[in-house]
Amino acid sequence: EAGVAQSPRYKIIEKRQSVAFWCNPISGHATLYWYQQILGQGPKLLIQFQNNGVVDDSQLPKDRFSAERLKGVDSTLKIQPAKLEDSAVYLCASSPRPGWVVGYTFGSGTRLTVV
Amino acid sequence: DAKTTQPNSMESNEEEPVHLPCNHSTISGTDYIHWYRQLPSQGPEYVIHGLTSNVNNRMASLAIAEDRKSSTLILHRATLRDAAVYYCILGTGNQFYFGTGTSLTVIP
Repeated sequence: EAGVAQSPRYKIIEKRQSVAFWCNPISGHATLYWYQQILGQGPKLLIQFQNNGVVDDSQLPKDRFSAERLKGVDSTLKIQPAKLEDSAVYLCASSPRPGWVVGYTFGSGTRLTVV
Repeated sequence: DAKTTQPNSMESNEEEPVHLPCNHSTISGTDYIHWYRQLPSQGPEYVIHGLTSNVNNRMASLAIAEDRKSSTLILHRATLRDAAVYYCILGTGNQFYFGTGTSLTVIP
């Protein structure tokens, strides 16, 4: 089966610019997650979707970050305006449903550099 | 969420077994123990999970202490491709919270 697709693979922007990342989960996976991974740290959960609804966005900096999953399939994560501390890898993951203990499938991520 | 404690780094010689420890003294009765690994420039990948009994799959084995307060991921013969950061995570599968993991270096 195809994996979780993310694009772009790399992005370099200046601070105060905006940027968007795209994720296409595994077909049929109802649950989608966005994680932020700063260099040297483990991934940090930003937001969880169940179909097209938000389950948990408590860790999402809502003053500058937004995410949507309009049709319950692919998703976009946006940062506007970007700050230097947003430099990180943004990972998307999906699972068939909440509580799926066998494991998430992660994409390869988008590496964002803010200069 | 219950926390886990792992060594920051470990080394292993190629083709030797590796035992990666994880302490989780505050684990709840419904928490599964999950292991993921992250190879350089890739997203984390699922390795194995368990609840109470030891588990084996094609990638690794998971040994769980009787009191469930610790566990050990066992790679039976380390290869260079096993060099990665290994994360031990507790949860019911709804959300995974990653720590900093153990960085495994495999020496040829």
